[in-house]
Amino acid sequence: DSGVTQTPKHLITATGQRVTLRCSPRSGDLSVYWYQQSLDQGLQFLIQYYNGEERAKGNILERFSAQQFPDLHSELNLSSLELGDSALYFCASSIEGGGGTEAFFGQGTRLTVV
Amino acid sequence: GESVGLHLPTLSVQEGDSAVIKCTYSDSASNYFPWYKQELGKRPQLIIDIRSNMDKRQGQRVTVLLNKTVKHLSLQIAATQPGDSAVYFCAEINTGNQFYFGTGTSLTVIP
Repeated sequence: DSGVTQTPKHLITATGQRVTLRCSPRSGDLSVYWYQQSLDQGLQFLIQYYNGEERAKGNILERFSAQQFPDLHSELNLSSLELGDSALYFCASSIEGGGGTEAFFGQGTRLTVV
Repeated sequence: GESVGLHLPTLSVQEGDSAVIKCTYSDSASNYFPWYKQELGKRPQLIIDIRSNMDKRQGQRVTVLLNKTVKHLSLQIAATQPGDSAVYFCAEINTGNQFYFGTGTSLTVIP
């Protein structure tokens, strides 16, 4: 158990819908990263938050947004869903925001868009 | 897009042999390079990391080499076991604090 909790574990929804994925980082970790992993693909960096502020942005679509709340949990919002958004979404957390420390991953949320 | 590339998408080795997975990165100012192992259907887990002020780091059966001149990384797994079969990702933290992973190399250890 990494200490990073993601909910839900599985999500099935229809095209055009909106979903929210939730991540609770390890206790004491201020930084949260979101990744998308499509079938048999690598980990695509989406966005990073540190202590409530956006720290870095990767390949995140405009239809996607995220935020980190005062209690440090984070949510990833995916809207106007398309079939191609079906993937495993991982959240990771680390102590620092500038990198250089281990990032611990949650178990992921598997999103299926039908 | 991804700033880290891998030379081989798949690798098969006999149990007991060594496996070497290579990786390149793009940002010469990147200062942290972790390697993650991801078993099928599971979350990635850190196996070893190296910082830019080092050339080599050794763990238990794993060694990572960093060549900053040509921006290459390699991960060597010694005395491979079937449990080493997984996808291995290298990653870098670049100057924009973006934590990029490579495509991954799928390692199969043949008993």
